[in-house]
Amino acid sequence: AQSVTQPDIHITVSEGASLELRCNYSYGATPYLFWYVQSPGQGLQLLLKYFSGDTLVQGIKGFEAEFKRSQSSFNLRKPSVHWSDAAEYFCAVGPTGFQKLVFGTGTRLLVSP
Amino acid sequence: GAVVSQHPSRVICKSGTSVKIECRSLDFQATTMFWYRQFPKQSLMLMATSNEGSKATYEQGVEKDKFLINHASLTLSTLTVTSAHPEDSSFYICSAGQGTEAFFGQGTRLTVV
Repeated sequence: AQSVTQPDIHITVSEGASLELRCNYSYGATPYLFWYVQSPGQGLQLLLKYFSGDTLVQGIKGFEAEFKRSQSSFNLRKPSVHWSDAAEYFCAVGPTGFQKLVFGTGTRLLVSP
Repeated sequence: GAVVSQHPSRVICKSGTSVKIECRSLDFQATTMFWYRQFPKQSLMLMATSNEGSKATYEQGVEKDKFLINHASLTLSTLTVTSAHPEDSSFYICSAGQGTEAFFGQGTRLTVV
């Protein structure tokens, strides 16, 4: 069965510092991988996605993620965090682009001054 | 990107009553929509797949008689929580796909008192 693991429940990063959020997945075939961000009480916004091709994916708001098949990982990175990045981040995997996504438990990012 | 609108954003209802949540794709047609549920501090769990013009497909463990889904048009899916109880209190989010991307509504916070 498909599953997604986000091992970090909370992460605190100083503003301006770099960020890496971890995501590991279990999937029987080549997965479609996604990172979403959720602000409190809001829906989800897609940051980036990976389907195939270049394993380093660029997204919105300065985020990027790298697909590593050997490690079954799809970690999200940002070189310099802004206070507005404080939110909940979800990694997800799906059999196709948008159908029946399986989400990780999320990582709450806190940004300190 | 495409827009998915969900209404209402918040609803409080009495135990035993029913509540209807609407999910609309505003600028595209969606033959399939998805309903997720998010418990506090937890991830999103797929509840069901809403299929335009046919019956919804429910995930294992989701009571179809409790969570009625209707997808009567290509732009509207509704989720009705019937005979709501406090344990049904949750954050419900819908999504619809266009191309290879899922677009999420802003979610509905349901509180059953």
